[in-house]
Amino acid sequence: GAGVSQSPSNKVTEKGKDVELRCDPISGHTALYWYRQSLGQGLEFLIYFQGNSAPDKSGLPSDRFSAERTGGSVSTLTIQRTQQEDSAVYLCASSPGRAVSAFFGQGTRLTVV
Amino acid sequence: QQQVKQSPQSLIVQKGGISIINCAYENTAFDYFPWYQQFPGKGPALLIAIRPDVSEKKEGRFTISFNKSAKQFSLHIMDSQPGDSATYFCAATVNDYKLSFGAGTTVTVRA
Repeated sequence: GAGVSQSPSNKVTEKGKDVELRCDPISGHTALYWYRQSLGQGLEFLIYFQGNSAPDKSGLPSDRFSAERTGGSVSTLTIQRTQQEDSAVYLCASSPGRAVSAFFGQGTRLTVV
Repeated sequence: QQQVKQSPQSLIVQKGGISIINCAYENTAFDYFPWYQQFPGKGPALLIAIRPDVSEKKEGRFTISFNKSAKQFSLHIMDSQPGDSATYFCAATVNDYKLSFGAGTTVTVRA
C-alpha cells in the first residue's frame, strides 16, 4: 500500500472485553511503533519493533497490553479486559530505520463504554 | 511524566500573522528535535527538525529556534494561512530512537 494502514478506524467496546487493533506498515520498513494519543496528552510511546530484535515494550502501561509483529510486517496490538481509561486513539508508525522520519497511520479510535 | 513540555495548548491567529509554539525539555541526552503537524483524522507528519548544534532552521514559512542553554525550542509559523490550522507537536529523541512528544498545540488561523 501507499502508506501505513490501520484497522478498524473506529472501535467501540464494552468494558471488560478484549480488543485487537491491526497495523499494516509500509512494505520494507523494518521499524514499527505503536503510540497512544489521549486528549490533551500528546502521544505516548507504547512499543517498538525493529527487524528481528526483541521489541522494546517499555511503554506498555499494564500487562493487559500486548503486541506482536508477524513475519516482520503486520502488527497487532491487543488490549485485554478493556477499561474506560483505555479510550484513546492508537497510532501505528513505520520507518525504514529512523524514529523521526516514521510515517504514521490514521489511527484507531477506541472507545470503551 | 512528560519529558517535553509544550505551550500554549491552543492559539488563534489571524491570516498573515505569526504563530509561535514553545517547548522545553530536561533530558540533556536529547539530540534531535522534530516538529509534527497533525490534521483531524490523520496521523502526525514530520514538518521540520533540528539538531542542538544549530540555533535556527528555516523551511519555507516554518522556522525552528533552538536555545540549548535554556533547554528550549520553538516553532514559528510566518504568514499563517488557514491551511496551517492543525495540531502541532514538538518532540525529542536520543539517537533517533523512540520519540518523546509534547502535549500538542491546536492552531486556528482565522481568514
